Amino acid sequence: KNQVEQSPQSLIILEGKNCTLQCNYTVSPFSNLRWYKQDTGRGPVSLTIMTFSENTKSNGRYTATLDADTKQSSLHITASQLSDSASYICVVSATGGGNKLTFGTGTQLKVEL
Amino acid sequence: GAGVSQSPRYKVAKRGQDVALRCDPISGHVSLFWYQQALGQGPEFLTYFQNEAQLDKSGLPSDRFFAERPEGSVSTLKIQRTQQEDSAVYLCASSLGQGEHQPQHFGDGTRLSIL
Repeated sequence: KNQVEQSPQSLIILEGKNCTLQCNYTVSPFSNLRWYKQDTGRGPVSLTIMTFSENTKSNGRYTATLDADTKQSSLHITASQLSDSASYICVVSATGGGNKLTFGTGTQLKVEL
Repeated sequence: GAGVSQSPRYKVAKRGQDVALRCDPISGHVSLFWYQQALGQGPEFLTYFQNEAQLDKSGLPSDRFFAERPEGSVSTLKIQRTQQEDSAVYLCASSLGQGEHQPQHFGDGTRLSIL
């Protein structure tokens, strides 16, 4: 069964600090990996999409990395802001899956003053 | 509107009642997806449409769940004889094309509570 695991489950950091979230997956055959941000009570919003050949992609203060050999990804957030408080979900798509996504359970990030 | 719109935002029903959840995708988007998100969990795939054709319904948990998209735009997810375990947020997403790398744009969901 395709699975996506994320760590840590939750994280509290001070405003202005950096943090890194981890994702391991067993989805096969791999097509692409996405990171989404989900605010409480809202739908997920796409941050990055990476295919097999890409090992890093940035979107503002968010930088995602992908190691397709070890099936690991990370999301690095720099200079955190209070508005970064949200759930960050790692999502993987399999080739031939018709864009059907497998979601992790997310890392709940809280940024405090 | 510019985004995916879902209605109602909240729905409370008694066990055994039927419910219908609506999704208005972004205009012109070919693909439409329904997901179920339990509290504290990531969304789980329910079903997928390409235009009006339902190409994958492997995630529907039982035959009480039914989805349609008759004209290839608006979609309705219907749950018959609701049970307490159906309580969740139901998310709809749409994408412009049908490729595997297409970004999916999500609505804010319908929070369903079964009493």
